[in-house]
Amino acid sequence: AQRVTQPEKLLSVFKGAPVELKCNYSYSGSPELFWYVQYSRQRLQLLLRHISRESIKGFTADLNKGETSFHLKKPFAQEEDSAMYYCALSASGNTPLVFGKGTRLSVIA
Amino acid sequence: GAGVSQTPSNKVTEKGKYVELRCDPISGHTALYWYRQSLGQGPEFLIYFQGTGAADDSGLPNDRFFAVRPEGSVSTLKIQRTERGDSAVYLCASSPGLHTGELFFGEGSRLTVL
Repeated sequence: AQRVTQPEKLLSVFKGAPVELKCNYSYSGSPELFWYVQYSRQRLQLLLRHISRESIKGFTADLNKGETSFHLKKPFAQEEDSAMYYCALSASGNTPLVFGKGTRLSVIA
Repeated sequence: GAGVSQTPSNKVTEKGKYVELRCDPISGHTALYWYRQSLGQGPEFLIYFQGTGAADDSGLPNDRFFAVRPEGSVSTLKIQRTERGDSAVYLCASSPGLHTGELFFGEGSRLTVL
């Protein structure tokens, strides 16, 4: 079975500091990994996906199959990055997304 | 165009009652998903539709839960004999294709069972 683990419920960083939101997964095949974000009073939305290998709002994430991780990183946190972040996995792109429990990022001015 | 629309946004009901939650997906999106999110948890998959048929309902917790999408657009999640443990936010999402990973979520229907 697929499983996504986000070990931190809450992460607080100062504005301008680097951010790393951790995500580990359990799946023996070739997964597709995603990060979703929910800003205050907004709906859940896609932030980025590993196959795109793109940077969105300064965030990047690299799939590390050896460590089964897909950590989300940003070099300089901004106050507007404060939100709930969910890591999600699709098994070989053939199954519905499985979400982690989420990490709340709080960026302190 | 409008995003995914869910009604009602809030529903308070008594234990044992029947509840219907509606989802209006983005026009043209063929895939529709229902998720449930309890407090402090991530979204938990319930069921998805490709067109009119329920392609995978393995996430429905028991036979009190049922969902339909009769014309391949609007979907209704039905919960019979509600229990306090059913209290959660029920999220609907649609996607232009199946399992693309890019889901467009609604704002959710918050269900409270007293």
